[in-house]
Amino acid sequence: GQNIDQPTEMTATEGAIVQINCTYQTSGFNGLFWYQQHAGEAPTFLSYNVLDGLEEKGRFSSFLSRSKGYSYLLLKELQMKDSASYLCAVMDSNYQLIWGAGTKLIIKP
Amino acid sequence: TAGITQAPTSQILAAGRSMTLRCTQDMRHNAMYWYRQDLGLGLRLIHYSNTAGTTGKGEVPDGYSVSRANTDDFPLTLASAVPSQTSVYFCASSRTAGVPNNEQFFGPGTRLTVL
Repeated sequence: GQNIDQPTEMTATEGAIVQINCTYQTSGFNGLFWYQQHAGEAPTFLSYNVLDGLEEKGRFSSFLSRSKGYSYLLLKELQMKDSASYLCAVMDSNYQLIWGAGTKLIIKP
Repeated sequence: TAGITQAPTSQILAAGRSMTLRCTQDMRHNAMYWYRQDLGLGLRLIHYSNTAGTTGKGEVPDGYSVSRANTDDFPLTLASAVPSQTSVYFCASSRTAGVPNNEQFFGPGTRLTVL
């Protein structure tokens, strides 16, 4: 079966760095997405990785290891507005997205 | 540009009643999707449409139907609602289907409660 695992909840301090992990087992792989979802709102796109390595985009970076079925999202210089859920999704061999349940990130002052 | 709009924002529905959730996009995207989001579960695909005139079943299609008469609109119909269909429903679209790096854009969601 297809499975995406990520922690349910994480807590971090404003100004700090946090790493949100995602492991996956899917039928085929056409890339991994990270989305941000604030409470009561729609998911919005953060990043896409299809090759191994680190992609940096401002305060956010995303890493992929295809051989390990593993990705992480790294958030630096945390701000209160980063409090949200972070969704990991893998595009399978049929080009459909398989979604993890999301990681709720709580930022404390 | 509005992007994707959904209506209604929220609805309480009696079990056994039918309802259509509306979704409209103005980005001229070919592909559209309906997901449901439940606490503790990831987004689950209900139905999708790769292009106007075609539709397909996702992971959880039972109890739902869709149509895609034109590029912009992708309504989702519950023929006879049951309490297990209580959820938040998101409509999404992407420029095309069947390619990698296919970012999906989401509407604001419809919160449906079936009693």
